[in-house]
Amino acid sequence: DARVTQTPRHKVTEMGQEVTMRCQPILGHNTVFWYRQTMMQGLELLAYFRNRAPLDDSGMPKDRFSAEMPDATLATLKIQPSEPRDSAVYFCASGLVRGVVGYTFGSGTRLTVV
Amino acid sequence: AQSVAQPEDQVNVAEGNPLTVKCTYSVSGNPYLFWYVQYPNRGLQFLLKYITGDNLVKGSYGFEAEFNKSQTSFHLKKPSALVSDSALYFCAVRDRTNAGKSTFGDGTTLTVKP
Repeated sequence: DARVTQTPRHKVTEMGQEVTMRCQPILGHNTVFWYRQTMMQGLELLAYFRNRAPLDDSGMPKDRFSAEMPDATLATLKIQPSEPRDSAVYFCASGLVRGVVGYTFGSGTRLTVV
Repeated sequence: AQSVAQPEDQVNVAEGNPLTVKCTYSVSGNPYLFWYVQYPNRGLQFLLKYITGDNLVKGSYGFEAEFNKSQTSFHLKKPSALVSDSALYFCAVRDRTNAGKSTFGDGTTLTVKP
């Protein structure tokens, strides 16, 4: 089965450090999403790309977060500098706009900022 | 703007009994509706979708969902619950004019007791 691959699976870092999370979407999917999941806030949409172009990043704290798709096989989410409140599980998902299908989610990156 | 409400944080059922996880939505026009399941330490998995046609949609693992336009609901159901169905369930809605971007509910934790 095709899958969305996220790395790393776990990341522990000290406050102030840069964190980069990577996602390899399913080949042929033209939409990519970054979500953050916490107990308090649930699932939050951070950023959304279509055909590698950012369409909506209104859910992302702009001062420290950035999301890019340097090519169709890689999406990145970067936090600089990281803060303890960024501790969460970050999910990448990919899908297709044409033809209504569900998204395929990666297994997530569990980030802990100490 | 589109929105989803899952009115129950937690649903408890006994194994073998029928289960229902509730979802109501708000969207302009006709919606696309989805259910996802999340097992511990995993990403979300697509269960089923409603696009058009039959109001009763069948999905993976014996789950089904009933679309009710007048009540703007899309409740998830299963005739006979299994302990292995215990997980976190998310309902999602997508506006047909906002192709590709879904809004997720806060999730409902289903616990099936033996």
